Amino acid sequence: GESVGLHLPTLSVQEGDNSIINCAYSNSASDYFIWYKQESGKGPQFIIDIRSNMDKRQGQRVTVLLNKTVKHLSLQIAATQPGDSAVYFCAENKGPNNNDMRFGAGTRLTVKP
Amino acid sequence: SQTIHQWPATLVQPVGSPLSLECTVEGTSNPNLYWYRQAAGRGLQLLFYSVGIGQISSEVPQNLSASRPQDRQFILSSKKLLLSDSGFYLCAWRGGYRGRTEAFFGQGTRLTVV
Repeated sequence: GESVGLHLPTLSVQEGDNSIINCAYSNSASDYFIWYKQESGKGPQFIIDIRSNMDKRQGQRVTVLLNKTVKHLSLQIAATQPGDSAVYFCAENKGPNNNDMRFGAGTRLTVKP
Repeated sequence: SQTIHQWPATLVQPVGSPLSLECTVEGTSNPNLYWYRQAAGRGLQLLFYSVGIGQISSEVPQNLSASRPQDRQFILSSKKLLLSDSGFYLCAWRGGYRGRTEAFFGQGTRLTVV
């Protein structure tokens, strides 16, 4: 479910390293998942999505992995850059008609030069 | 192209005062619309979503209400603000069959209740 009451977990990586951000989702009936990036003071921006009939999807420097067995989602960022520093959220479609969209707790990624 | 407008960007309101935040979408029809709240350094809490005019789903019982008087207009209101209503309010829209598309967010309203 939503973890809005928790402080964000943090991940610190060196520039050029790969980053892996994890997310556990709650509803086994969720069929669509999205990763968002949120920079300070701004609204979240779409990064990549994946449907439940897939277990992997690749974009530019990003890969999303979906493990439905354990209800786990991960975002891999290759060759992390300082501009990747932000908070990353996963979101899942929930509700009886899959119309509401719930966010995970988020992870703050800090890239060290 | 589609755009989403949310205003105001910042707002400082006294406890007990009313609130009205407005969100409008351009370039699409019959979008799903959402209001989220984000406390400082925390995640996004879904407050309301709407799949059509006059249709509002409330996720968290609280001091707020939402309305959708027009297809592309979503309003978040309160009759009397509480200190705990402070936060970053985000409006979002999405389209597609049964919401299986990404959501697009406005720039948010930072509300401080004093």
